[in-house]
Amino acid sequence: GAVVSQHPSWVICKSGTSVKIECRSLDFQATTMFWYRQFPKQSLMLMATSNEGSKATYEQGVEKDKFLINHASLTLSTLTVTSAHPEDSSFYICSARDLVSGGAEETQYFGPGTRLLVL
Amino acid sequence: KQEVTQIPAALSVPEGENLVLNCSFTDSAIYNLQWFRQDPGKGLTSLLLIQSSQREQTSGRLNASLDKSSGRSTLYIAASQPGDSATYLCAVTGGSNYKLTFGKGTLLTVNP
Repeated sequence: GAVVSQHPSWVICKSGTSVKIECRSLDFQATTMFWYRQFPKQSLMLMATSNEGSKATYEQGVEKDKFLINHASLTLSTLTVTSAHPEDSSFYICSARDLVSGGAEETQYFGPGTRLLVL
Repeated sequence: KQEVTQIPAALSVPEGENLVLNCSFTDSAIYNLQWFRQDPGKGLTSLLLIQSSQREQTSGRLNASLDKSSGRSTLYIAASQPGDSATYLCAVTGGSNYKLTFGKGTLLTVNP
């Protein structure tokens, strides 16, 4: 149980285009989802926290107008990188928290990640 | 602001050796500490989770300890195998929103 999927796993795009990444909880309802970014040889950095049906909370230094997050349902959150540039090339990982079925608040289930390369 | 540091950044050992990875954190007000494994270009695999009230957790050849008051944790890997080669990440959960803070990881290479 507690499986989180991400799509796509790989994406290559031209500079200036927008890219959407999906994060799905497959067998549980995710009241909260998290989006992380990982640059090569760096740690995962939390970008934003999204709660179903409400606006995402962004971490300091993360541009909310550039990284649009939507959490319209209990099983799906999307991250859209708008007008992507080469410096946005990174590994994006989502995680989800299951509180509906009694999951612990401190437990997050991670997706497999999406590698974005902007040319 | 919580900061997590992992030492060493990279470690190369011959197969069969026992090894220790270190993690330290600056704010001891944590709910738990987790050790993850990350293979190149892949997501995270949770290895061990230690609640703040616990001192250690064991899973197979892995043993993780936690000294919350001193802000330290160690991951002990016994009888290392080439398949253990990966990056090992340490993360602590804290704050009102149960935020995870990660270290940069230790890149482990086990040579056959």
